Amino acid sequence: GNSVTQMEGPVTLSEEAFLTINCTYTATGYPSLFWYVQYPGEGLQLLLKATKADDKGSNKGFEATYRKETTSFHLEKGSVQVSDSAVYFCALSANMDSNYQLIWGAGTKLIIKP
Amino acid sequence: NAGVTQTPKFRILKIGQSMTLQCTQDMNHNYMYWYRQDPGMGLKLIYYSVGAGITDKGEVPNGYNVSRSTTEDFPLRLELAAPSQTSVYFCASSYGGLPGGNEQFFGPGTRLTVL
Repeated sequence: GNSVTQMEGPVTLSEEAFLTINCTYTATGYPSLFWYVQYPGEGLQLLLKATKADDKGSNKGFEATYRKETTSFHLEKGSVQVSDSAVYFCALSANMDSNYQLIWGAGTKLIIKP
Repeated sequence: NAGVTQTPKFRILKIGQSMTLQCTQDMNHNYMYWYRQDPGMGLKLIYYSVGAGITDKGEVPNGYNVSRSTTEDFPLRLELAAPSQTSVYFCASSYGGLPGGNEQFFGPGTRLTVL
């Protein structure tokens, strides 16, 4: 079946540290992959996406590369800020009974300390 | 633009009561979705709609109903609330469907507790 596995949180880092949040998936076919972010008290919003193998999505200093050979889509940022504190969700689009749906990871809470 | 709005923000229900969660979007999106998020879990799709008058079940539809009479509104109805429906509910919308990698826009959520 289709599934997404994210590293468990919370992840706590100091400001300007390097960030990696791991995401691996299982899927049939060639899904699109997404990272969404949820800031405190807000709804989820798209951070970046990749629609085919070897694509790199990037936004706000975050990057993730669609690796088909390792079925991964790890999120990285070179220097995190306190304002990056949020919950990050990895997701894939899957064809479920002839309709496409998003399959979500459990989310990883990121805490950045000044 | 307000984007996707949801009401109420919080609600406590007694077992067996019913309620409607409201969702409105002002982006003229065809697709709308209802998700629930349980603690430590990813989002699960309850129902979705590809346009006014068209709705379909997602992964966890039991205990819920929806309607889509206009492009803007997509209310979620809970009949006979049960403790298992305690969750955070998110409404979302998108211009197109997922095969094109279309972005979903989310409301701020409704936190529902059933006691």
